[in-house]
Amino acid sequence: DQQVKQNSPSLSVQEGRISILNCDYTNSMFDYFLWYKKYPAEGPTFLISISSIKDKNEDGRFTVFLNKSAKHLSLHIVPSQPGDSAVYFCAASARSGGYQKVTFGIGTKLQVIP
Amino acid sequence: KAGVTQTPRYLIKTRGQQVTLSCSPISGHRSVSWYQQTPGQGLQFLFEYFSETQRNKGNFPGRFSGRQFSNSRSEMNVSTLELGDSALYLCASTLTQNTEAFFGQGTRLTVV
Repeated sequence: DQQVKQNSPSLSVQEGRISILNCDYTNSMFDYFLWYKKYPAEGPTFLISISSIKDKNEDGRFTVFLNKSAKHLSLHIVPSQPGDSAVYFCAASARSGGYQKVTFGIGTKLQVIP
Repeated sequence: KAGVTQTPRYLIKTRGQQVTLSCSPISGHRSVSWYQQTPGQGLQFLFEYFSETQRNKGNFPGRFSGRQFSNSRSEMNVSTLELGDSALYLCASTLTQNTEAFFGQGTRLTVV
């Protein structure tokens, strides 16, 4: 049962344009959401996060939007750069057995075309 | 500050063997989590350790086990290896809950 879903396995975007990566979740107990970026042969690196009490968080070219009623979040990258080409994982955190447990999506491979 | 260190980076084992993977978290981080990454499955949570205690466990068979030492270093063991265990195994450490996890580069396990 995939509680965190990234339905687009891949995305191609022209350099300079906006990249929008989407993520849906089913568990209404998730209260913290994160995005990670992963290059081949490296571990994922943290990109940006958002608490469930907010609907937007911005960090430079990266903005995460949260729509709790739709159980949907998205990552916007503007402008997209070739170095952004990577696999992006959406993650959500909820309290489980007294501790926070993080669930990851399967990832979306972004290719930014120069 | 050194990052999360995983050893070995690559491993080839035969079916039926067992394997132990090691993870050294960032200094000061007491929580260590393990994940399995396979194509099409994303990052599957294995387990999390905090202060030498397993406090969260994913849906993996009992062949997968782990432990954490007093210095927060963690090991993961897989017994009776199967071909389907071939994957990238990632370790992540966190300082506190609801903060970002820092991942190691992973151990690429191939079972033949």
